[in-house]
Amino acid sequence: DTGVSQDPRHKITKRGQNVTFRCDPISEHNRLYWYRQTLGQGPEFLTYFQNEAQLEKSRLLSDRFSAERPKGSFSTLEIQRTEQGDSAMYLCASGRREFYEQYFGPGTRLTVT
Amino acid sequence: KNQVEQSPQSLIILEGKNCTLQCNYTVSPFSNLRWYKQDTGRGPVSLTIMTFSENTKSNGRYTATLDADTKQSSLHITASQLSDSASYICVVSGQDGGATNKLIFGTGTLLAVQP
Repeated sequence: DTGVSQDPRHKITKRGQNVTFRCDPISEHNRLYWYRQTLGQGPEFLTYFQNEAQLEKSRLLSDRFSAERPKGSFSTLEIQRTEQGDSAMYLCASGRREFYEQYFGPGTRLTVT
Repeated sequence: KNQVEQSPQSLIILEGKNCTLQCNYTVSPFSNLRWYKQDTGRGPVSLTIMTFSENTKSNGRYTATLDADTKQSSLHITASQLSDSASYICVVSGQDGGATNKLIFGTGTLLAVQP
């Protein structure tokens, strides 16, 4: 499968714990995006990378959130000291700078208890 | 404020029937508008992308229209199938595609196709 993959697909954690999600984009895509989607809502932009550079971060991305794309390939999104409000689907998408299209992964559903 | 509004919020139709979903946006400047299909628990999948110069685009049984003057778009589904049951999300890119390419999402229309 050459699409965008995300791991894990589901994560249940206790409030206060740290969690890390991984996204593997389509190999030739230089842009990678993270979104958060809560139930019944559309996805909300969190941050994006062009190659290894993080070019933009949403105000939704509090100090507890950090994202990396160290070699310009896969990316990780870490949430520290999770809160119940962090429960959501975290979507990753990739694309090329030259084109409009973004291809989404299946998402990681986070439940904070 | 850049917003994308969709209607109806939810829709139930019988298999084989047609339906039309609506999208109004206030995003400016406008770059392109997309319709995505999102199955429950999955990531969105692109159906169509239209720039301001395009007013209609088809993808199989899906036909999207765009009126950049009134800032309205519609997605028409013909001869619906059970597998069309999903959330349909209208998404607008408010910046040049070569810049941030940040997308503004609507909340979606939840379509249920019943046998």
